Formats: sequence, structure tokens, C-alpha cells
Amino acid sequence: DAKTTQPPSMDCAEGRAANLPCNHSTISGNEYVYWYRQIHSQGPQYIIHGLKNNETNEMASLIITEDRKSSTLILPHATLRDTAVYYCIVRGSLHRGYGGSQGNLIFGKGTKLSVKP
Amino acid sequence: GAGVSQSPSNKVTEKGKDVELRCDPISGHTALYWYRQRLGQGLEFLIYFQGNSAPDKSGLPSDRFSAERTGESVSTLTIQRTQQEDSAVYLCASSLQREVEQFFGPGTRLTVL
Repeated sequence: DAKTTQPPSMDCAEGRAANLPCNHSTISGNEYVYWYRQIHSQGPQYIIHGLKNNETNEMASLIITEDRKSSTLILPHATLRDTAVYYCIVRGSLHRGYGGSQGNLIFGKGTKLSVKP
Repeated sequence: GAGVSQSPSNKVTEKGKDVELRCDPISGHTALYWYRQRLGQGLEFLIYFQGNSAPDKSGLPSDRFSAERTGESVSTLTIQRTQQEDSAVYLCASSLQREVEQFFGPGTRLTVL
């Protein structure tokens, strides 16, 4: 599976956009980019995923570069409750098996996002 | 609807004792995963169940760890002869067979004294 590189920590002012980068230069053509987050003392929470096109949902936007070697998760208006560790994960397609041996997610250390008032 | 639940939420045990951790997945989810998260670390995959197929146990760290799942319902992770390095939060997740999103439970915090 492709490995990901994320900055260990970032700060963001409340109400501003939080842009979290992720490098995945060894990603292969059938691997998706997923983002999860983990708020302190809670289990991870799915945010968004994409393959090639940019994606948007009620939580965030995902921008994937044309060469797919990096992506950015955007929280358009960060709140204090968005303070969490954000994990960028690459994972194989359903038809080729998942990222891990049978579908498990492979988490790195993520980016600790601190939203400040 | 109800999410993934885990019990107990906290477990303190003495070194050498056996512990059982329980996971109730979301109804209808055929895939179930166990992960471990040590303090300040990322998640480590432990084991995966998919329907009635043989589980993928490739992430279990030692033969002291085992897990069972009854059909497509509850799963139990058992750690025998616990060691201090087993102290961690044990997280369970479930997903629909062909869905990509995994839903995580709140975890069980295990402390081995």
C-alpha cells in the first residue's frame, strides 16, 4: 500500500478554512484517498474519500492533484469542535482488495489540528 | 440508528489475567475489524471478519490474542495472560460488505497493571 506523509501538527483560527495536506507520491492507479479524523477519546470518524476528482460533502472538501501524488482536505469554516487528529489513508479499490490484507485501514500518525478561538 | 458499541468502556486488570472485550457492530454490517491504539500512536490492525469467511488474523501480535464472531453479529476479542504492553485502547469498526466507510465504536481502554 502507498504510504502517506502528513505534517504532525497545524493550527487554524476558528471560522477560517483549515487546509490539511497529504503526500502520497507512490499511490497506484486503483488506490483511493480517504480521510478520517479522531477527536480526543473517541473512535475515528470517516470524513471523505476520492479517487481522481475533487469531492465535497457536508463535512469537507477533498482536492486531489492531477498527478494524484498529493491531496488537501479542506474544512471550510473550522470550529473548535474540529480539533482532532486527521488521518490521510490510501486504500485499494473494492475489486482489488482493500488497503490492508483484507480491508483494514492503515493509519499513520496523522496531523493534529488545533482550532483556536 | 445505533452505532457500533463496545464494552466495557474501561478495563483495569492485573498482569497475567485474561480479558474479554466485546463489540456490537451496526446491524447488517458484514465486515468487522479490531484495531489497537497505544497512547499517542496510530491505529494497528488486529483482525478482520467478513461474513462467514475465515477471519484474517494477520495483525494479531501474539498467540495470546484471539477473536471470535458469531455470524454477522457480536465479536469478542480475548487477550490471555495480559502483559503491560497490552495496555491500549481497543477499537472495533464495522462496515457493509461493499461499502468503504468504516464506522468505529468508542473503544475499550485496557490498562494492565
